[in-house]
Amino acid sequence: EDQVTQSPEALRLQEGESSSLNCSYTVSGLRGLFWYRQDPGKGPEFLFTLYSAGEEKEKERLKATLTKKESFLHITAPKPEDSATYLCAVWANFGNEKLTFGTGTRLTIIP
Amino acid sequence: ETGVTQTPRHLVMGMTNKKSLKCEQHLGHNAMYWYKQSAKKPLELMFVYSLEERVENNSVPSRFSPECPNSSHLFLHLHTLQPEDSALYLCASSQVRFGELFFGEGSRLTVL
Repeated sequence: EDQVTQSPEALRLQEGESSSLNCSYTVSGLRGLFWYRQDPGKGPEFLFTLYSAGEEKEKERLKATLTKKESFLHITAPKPEDSATYLCAVWANFGNEKLTFGTGTRLTIIP
Repeated sequence: ETGVTQTPRHLVMGMTNKKSLKCEQHLGHNAMYWYKQSAKKPLELMFVYSLEERVENNSVPSRFSPECPNSSHLFLHLHTLQPEDSALYLCASSQVRFGELFFGEGSRLTVL
């Protein structure tokens, strides 16, 4: 059974304090891994797609990386507006596609 | 209007009511989805429509009934719900099935 685990569940950082969020997965036939940002009371907002191990994507203070077992979302010098829940989702199983979401990491940046 | 829009944003209903959630996508996508989001749980896929054909029904109780009249519109008809159905219901669309999803703002449902 496909599994996606995100850690930590919650993370509090001071403004400017860099850190990383983890998404580990066990799936057969990875097609892609997605990162989303979700603000309270709103729908998830697409951030990145990673397709193969070694791939990296960047957007402002965020950088996503992918290995064969996990993905990291690195946040460099975060600002309070980066506070949100970050979700990862794994798209897998050629011919019987599934999209499995993790439970998310709730990130709080303290001014 | 751009992206994916959902109405209503908030809905309170009794267990005997009938109501509907509406979703419209303005992205020209081919697939549309209903997801349920509850606290501390991963997003749960309810229904997938690809080119207006329902391609997945994830063991959802019959009190939830989807309708996709065309590739831009998706409805979720609700009747005789239970309090445990209270959640955020999210509509999404994508160009490719299970590719990059674009979500609406969600409809917060409370069942009394």
